[in-house]
Amino acid sequence: KQEVTQIPAALSVPEGENLVLNCSFTDSAIYNLQWFRQDPGKGLTSLLLIQSSQREQTSGRLNASLDKSSGRSTLYIAASQPGDSATYLCAVVIGYGQNFVFGPGTRLSVLP
Amino acid sequence: AAGVIQSPRHLIKEKRETATLKCYPIPRHDTVYWYQQGPGQDPQFLISFYEKMQSDKGSIPDRFSAQQFSDYHSELNMSSLELGDSALYFCASSLEEGSVAGGTYYEQYFGPGTRLTVT
Repeated sequence: KQEVTQIPAALSVPEGENLVLNCSFTDSAIYNLQWFRQDPGKGLTSLLLIQSSQREQTSGRLNASLDKSSGRSTLYIAASQPGDSATYLCAVVIGYGQNFVFGPGTRLSVLP
Repeated sequence: AAGVIQSPRHLIKEKRETATLKCYPIPRHDTVYWYQQGPGQDPQFLISFYEKMQSDKGSIPDRFSAQQFSDYHSELNMSSLELGDSALYFCASSLEEGSVAGGTYYEQYFGPGTRLTVT
């Protein structure tokens, strides 16, 4: 059974810092991996989608990498801003047409 | 661009009542997924449909049922509601994209969610 974990569970940093969020999954046979952002009580905002054949994706200040063989993905946020404060969820799809398996998330607070 | 629509956005019910949540996928999407996210928890997969047939089942209670209609919208029916059913319910739909680096891929698009509160 695929399990997804995220480290750290919570993170508080001053504005301007570069930071890394980690995601691990137990079964390396994934179809794709996606990072989401969720504000308290709100919906899921897709940040980056990495296909199994890809190693990284970039969007603005965000960069996500994927290492299937080691079952890991990292989300790199450059020059963090208070507006980045949210919970970041990592999720994997184990096969075409299959559902997401989510990690528990990392709760990020960026202090002004 | 059109997105996944969920209705209602908020719903308050009492214990033992029933509730129906609706999901309207992005046009041309034929697959719908339902997820439940309890307070402080990560989303958990409930059930999915492809071409109006149930395609996979997750941790959906027997008190819940769902179906996908001919226009591809889906409804999640919840009976004998319990306090523990209070959660955010997400619907997602998927689209089969063209080839990327020689392969096909798809992406699930999430709706804004329905917040169900059971009192």
